[in-house]
Amino acid sequence: DAGVTQSPTHLIKTRGQQVTLRCSPKSGHDTVSWYQQALGQGPQFIFQYYEEEERQRGNFPDRFSGHQFPNYSSELNVNALLLGDSALYLCASSFGGGPLYGYTFGSGTRLTVV
Amino acid sequence: DAKTTQPPSMDCAEGRAANLPCNHSTISGNEYVYWYRQIHSQGPQYIIHGLKNNETNEMASLIITEDRKSSTLILPHATLRDTAVYYCIVRNVVGDDKIIFGKGTRLHILP
Repeated sequence: DAGVTQSPTHLIKTRGQQVTLRCSPKSGHDTVSWYQQALGQGPQFIFQYYEEEERQRGNFPDRFSGHQFPNYSSELNVNALLLGDSALYLCASSFGGGPLYGYTFGSGTRLTVV
Repeated sequence: DAKTTQPPSMDCAEGRAANLPCNHSTISGNEYVYWYRQIHSQGPQYIIHGLKNNETNEMASLIITEDRKSSTLILPHATLRDTAVYYCIVRNVVGDDKIIFGKGTRLHILP
């Protein structure tokens, strides 16, 4: 049973560019959450998608946007990249039936903005 | 903001029990305590969760105080592979189910 799959694993972009990161949830999961983890810090919640809608959002600017597809996979888009956007981006999937279920995290996409 | 307080780092000798404390003095009645860990260069991994009773699974045990204001994660026989950052998290039973991470405890297992 495949877990959460993220692509690409590593990415280098230039300031001002746009980036799209992808996530396939664990089989049977229907909810996808995205997190940003700067070096030495805990993951910070960006937003969560359920039934193709953004259900919750953390304290991130509108440059960060997302999408969920009918097959529950998800994309994270970041526009006008800043140096401070360099981080590990984590995707987590869960079953939307409630918080009694643990999240399953992917290994992340390491984004470097130069 | 994270609702938990953990020591920034801890050491434990290989083969001994690792006891990781967590304070969550403002926990409400409908919030569970979750523990995750993050091994270097990997995503966080779910360990265990509980409401008010002690819990045990194949990875660890979770001891929650009677007033629910603190808890302890116990790794009974720590190995070098348990070296990781451990996050204690409180999370609502209903509605808001996003996970808010704090800074966690960096556990070093010493050979």
